[in-house]
Amino acid sequence: DQQVKQNSPSLSVQEGRISILNCDYTNSMFDYFLWYKKYPAEGPTFLISISSIKDKNEDGRFTVFLNKSAKHLSLHIVPSQPGDSAVYFCAAGGSARQLTFGSGTQLTVLP
Amino acid sequence: GAGVSQTPSNKVTEKGKYVELRCDPISGHTALYWYRQSLGQGPEFLIYFQGTGAADDSGLPNDRFFAVRPEGSVSTLKIQRTERGDSAVYLCASSLMGAAGDEQFFGPGTRLTVL
Repeated sequence: DQQVKQNSPSLSVQEGRISILNCDYTNSMFDYFLWYKKYPAEGPTFLISISSIKDKNEDGRFTVFLNKSAKHLSLHIVPSQPGDSAVYFCAAGGSARQLTFGSGTQLTVLP
Repeated sequence: GAGVSQTPSNKVTEKGKYVELRCDPISGHTALYWYRQSLGQGPEFLIYFQGTGAADDSGLPNDRFFAVRPEGSVSTLKIQRTERGDSAVYLCASSLMGAAGDEQFFGPGTRLTVL
């Protein structure tokens, strides 16, 4: 059973427009959420996180929104740049220190 | 100012052989994690160390998998009697204190192929 789901395996966006990546979770015990970005042949790199007590966290072009009642979070990237093209993983954590990852969304930003 | 490093970057072995994968965490990080990523999937947790001890090994798939961190720094993931289904990218991560919400820094991974 997948506790963290990313239902869109891929997303294409025009440069300069907004990219919205979505993530759903089922375990209400998760109390923090993270987004990681991964380029080919590299490990995932941390992008932004949010605690379950917040509904929004912003860092430059990246904003994460959390809707606890819907068990849904999203990552907004605006404006999107070609260098943002990568696989984006949503991850969740709780009292256990391990992270539970979604299956990823391949973002392609078209110049 | 090295990040997490993993060796080898690629390992090809035959079914039934024994393999060891090494992880060098960021200096000073007390927590170390192993994950496995299969094609088209996200990383899946295997084991977590706090210092020298395995704090949570609930993700190890069976007793063919074992990991050690004898001095609280470098860790080795050991796989006995490898099977074709073990083929994946094995990722190591470290975090400063292992507290909930700590950022985990990932290495580039070891791609294991079992023929």
